Amino acid sequence: NAGVTQTPKFQVLKTGQSMTLQCAQDMNHNSMYWYRQDPGMGLRLIYYSASEGTTDKGEVPNGYNVSRLNKREFSLRLESAAPSQTSVYFCASTWDEDTQYFGPGTRLTVL
Amino acid sequence: RKEVEQDPGPFNVPEGATVAFNCTYSNSASQSFFWYRQDCRKEPKLLMSVYSSGNEDGRFTAQLNRASQYISLLIRDSKLSDSATYLCVVNEEWTGTASKLTFGTGTRLQVTL
Repeated sequence: NAGVTQTPKFQVLKTGQSMTLQCAQDMNHNSMYWYRQDPGMGLRLIYYSASEGTTDKGEVPNGYNVSRLNKREFSLRLESAAPSQTSVYFCASTWDEDTQYFGPGTRLTVL
Repeated sequence: RKEVEQDPGPFNVPEGATVAFNCTYSNSASQSFFWYRQDCRKEPKLLMSVYSSGNEDGRFTAQLNRASQYISLLIRDSKLSDSATYLCVVNEEWTGTASKLTFGTGTRLQVTL
């Protein structure tokens, strides 16, 4: 099992550009999450999806959209990137209430 | 006020030492508690869950004090490989279909020879 995979690993964007971060899990988990991690801030929840077809906002959803394409895949889209969105983005999934399994992360820089 | 607070460290300890980390949380309704480990430039991974009765996994012991709203992690006989950032994590909300975890900013541990 690959667990949780994310693409790309690194990305540099210019302000105003758009991009989609991809996440997939092969553990048959129902719930999936997108976080961002910034120095001194801890991981913050952007959006989550409790099941296929549902998505909900987390703590910091502004500037992002998500799509739960199917049970395996949960994508995060930046429509118009801003320097404040420079961060490390982690996708996670879980089958129970608690233990979350994380992907390797995407390091995004917005110039 | 941060919902989950940790001393950022770094804690620099010699190999073989015992080191303890504490974490406080603000939401008394929080339901479950964890320690995650994060290596430099890697993803967080679950180290252990924390139960009211306390739990031990090899050299690692976790304790929860609900009355005082703090969580602790004790590492005995530190190894060089224990060098990492330890994240205190609290499940503040169970929506019925998904958990919402709140992460502390982490405590960095550096074990030296």
